[in-house]
Amino acid sequence: GQNIDQPTEMTATEGAIVQINCTYQTSGFNGLFWYQQHAGEAPTFLSYNVLDGLEEKGRFSSFLSRSKGYSYLLLKELQMKDSASYLCAVMDSNYQLIWGAGTKLIIKP
Amino acid sequence: IAGITQAPTSQILAAGRRMTLRCTQDMRHNAMYWYRQDLGLGLRLIHYSNTAGTTGKGEVPDGYSVSRANTDDFPLTLASAVPSQTSVYFCASSDSNQGGELFFGEGSRLTVL
Repeated sequence: GQNIDQPTEMTATEGAIVQINCTYQTSGFNGLFWYQQHAGEAPTFLSYNVLDGLEEKGRFSSFLSRSKGYSYLLLKELQMKDSASYLCAVMDSNYQLIWGAGTKLIIKP
Repeated sequence: IAGITQAPTSQILAAGRRMTLRCTQDMRHNAMYWYRQDLGLGLRLIHYSNTAGTTGKGEVPDGYSVSRANTDDFPLTLASAVPSQTSVYFCASSDSNQGGELFFGEGSRLTVL
């Protein structure tokens, strides 16, 4: 079967750095997405990786290793507004998105 | 502001009743999707449409139907609601069905009693 694994919950301190990991096993691979979802709101797009390596976008970076079936989302200079769930999703060979259950990130002052 | 509009935002429904969740986008996106989101689970695809006039079944299609008469609208119908359909429903669209960012509506919270 296909599955996406990510930690259920993480806690970090305002101003610090946090890394959210995602491992996947899917039928084929056509890219990996990260979305942010604040409580009670819709998911919003953060990043897309299809080639190995690091993609940096401001305070957020996303890394992909296709050989290891592994990605991480790196958040720097954490702010209280970064408290949210972070969803990892992989597009399989049929261009269907397989979603992880999400990682709830709690930021403490 | 361009985007996706869902209605209703929230609804309580008696089991056995018929319900249609509406979804409209003004971005002229070809692909549209309906997901349900339940606590502890990832988003699960109910139905999708790659272009107007076509629809397909996702991971959890039973008890749901969709139509895509035009580019903008993609309603989801529960013919006879059951309590297990209590969930938050998200409509989404993308410019392509082969990758690309998904744009989500604000969600419809449905409770079936």
